[in-house]
Amino acid sequence: QQQVKQSPQSLIVQKGGISIINCAYENTAFDYFPWYQQFPGKGPALLIAIRPDVSEKKEGRFTISFNKSAKQFSLHIMDSQPGDSATYFCAAGDRGSTLGRLYFGRGTQLTVWP
Amino acid sequence: ETGVTQSPTHLIKTRGQQVTLRCSSQSGHNTVSWYQQALGQGPQFIFQYYREEENGRGNFPPRFSGLQFPNYSSELNVNALELDDSALYLCASSSGGGQGYTFGSGTRLTVV
Repeated sequence: QQQVKQSPQSLIVQKGGISIINCAYENTAFDYFPWYQQFPGKGPALLIAIRPDVSEKKEGRFTISFNKSAKQFSLHIMDSQPGDSATYFCAAGDRGSTLGRLYFGRGTQLTVWP
Repeated sequence: ETGVTQSPTHLIKTRGQQVTLRCSSQSGHNTVSWYQQALGQGPQFIFQYYREEENGRGNFPPRFSGLQFPNYSSELNVNALELDDSALYLCASSSGGGQGYTFGSGTRLTVV
């Protein structure tokens, strides 16, 4: 059973546009929601993370929006650039159980056209 | 540049063989997790070690085992390799205390 559902599977955006990736979860025990960026041949790199006590977190061009009641969270990439082309994974974790086990979504392959 | 180093980067093994993958974490990172990432999928949690003891395991059979050493290095061992074990194996470490995980670049294992 997929603990974290991610959409869309792929996304094509023009340079300067906004990229939006959505995730949903079921387990209300989750209290840590990171987003990872992965380039081919590399491991995932932490982009930004949020905890459920806030509804939004912004770091540069990257923003996480979190809706606790709907059990959904999303990543917004403003002013998307060709260098942002990568696979993005949302994840969720319950720090109270196995310290830091993360459940990942299936990933979104983002392509930003110049 | 990531502080987590994995070796080897690529590996080809025959079905039924055994393999050992290695990870060197950042100094002070006493928590290490191993993940399996199949092609086109998100990483799947295999297990986690904290201060050299396993303290969490995902849905992987016992032929997946691990070790963590005092020098912040760790190993993932897989016995009786199956074709479906072909994947990218990722090591991730953390200093705990709510800090995020840093992933290595992974070992690409191909079982033929």
